[in-house]
Amino acid sequence: SYELTQPPSVSVSPGQTARITCSGDALPKQYGYWYQQKPGQAPVLVIYKDSERPSGIPERFSGSSSGTTVTLTISDVQAEDEADYYCQSADISGTYVFGSGTKVTVL
Amino acid sequence: HLQLQESGPGLVKPSETLSLTCTVSGGSIRGSDYYWGWIRQPPGKGLEWIGSLYHGGIAYYNPSLKSRVTVSIDTSKNQFSLNLSSLSAADTAVYYCARDYAAALDYWGQGTLVTVSS
Repeated sequence: SYELTQPPSVSVSPGQTARITCSGDALPKQYGYWYQQKPGQAPVLVIYKDSERPSGIPERFSGSSSGTTVTLTISDVQAEDEADYYCQSADISGTYVFGSGTKVTVL
Repeated sequence: HLQLQESGPGLVKPSETLSLTCTVSGGSIRGSDYYWGWIRQPPGKGLEWIGSLYHGGIAYYNPSLKSRVTVSIDTSKNQFSLNLSSLSAADTAVYYCARDYAAALDYWGQGTLVTVSS
């Protein structure tokens, strides 16, 4: 079955930049999406179609794509950005898959 | 402002069928650009997409769950539903409904915990 691979954890100091990668064979042909999930809450879409930001999402969240990898970048990290982040995409048949998630810790 | 709310039993027995409903408010479920999806998250684990459907009846399912899943939509009530059969403890999870806009899950319900136990 199709898989998206994320690092389990990323640690970053306040004000620094966090980068979270997501790798998958279908990513050159399918868009990547990113969700932020805080404890006890539903996920929130923070990036869609590789690099588009929904309204209301701070500009410090950005996305990019290169080959089989999509990347979520959080610039000027704030304490409130501490959360789990999941990437999502589709396989060649159009069914969706999530990455295993990356826990971002703000030191 | 679009809102989604899941409803259904919090406890179901093994081998039984789970039925959940998602009620959509603040917008029509008949929107031509939207699918409506179900996602689940076992305690302490990651997200798993279950399936998405369009108000016209087109549905897509996670292949690993396809044999046990049925999704349906009731446009008159602005609701869509999930049925998951042959439950086991592995189906214990928080179940979310969400609006699926070209694969972007942009609005989510708060989630409902379903425990499978005798």
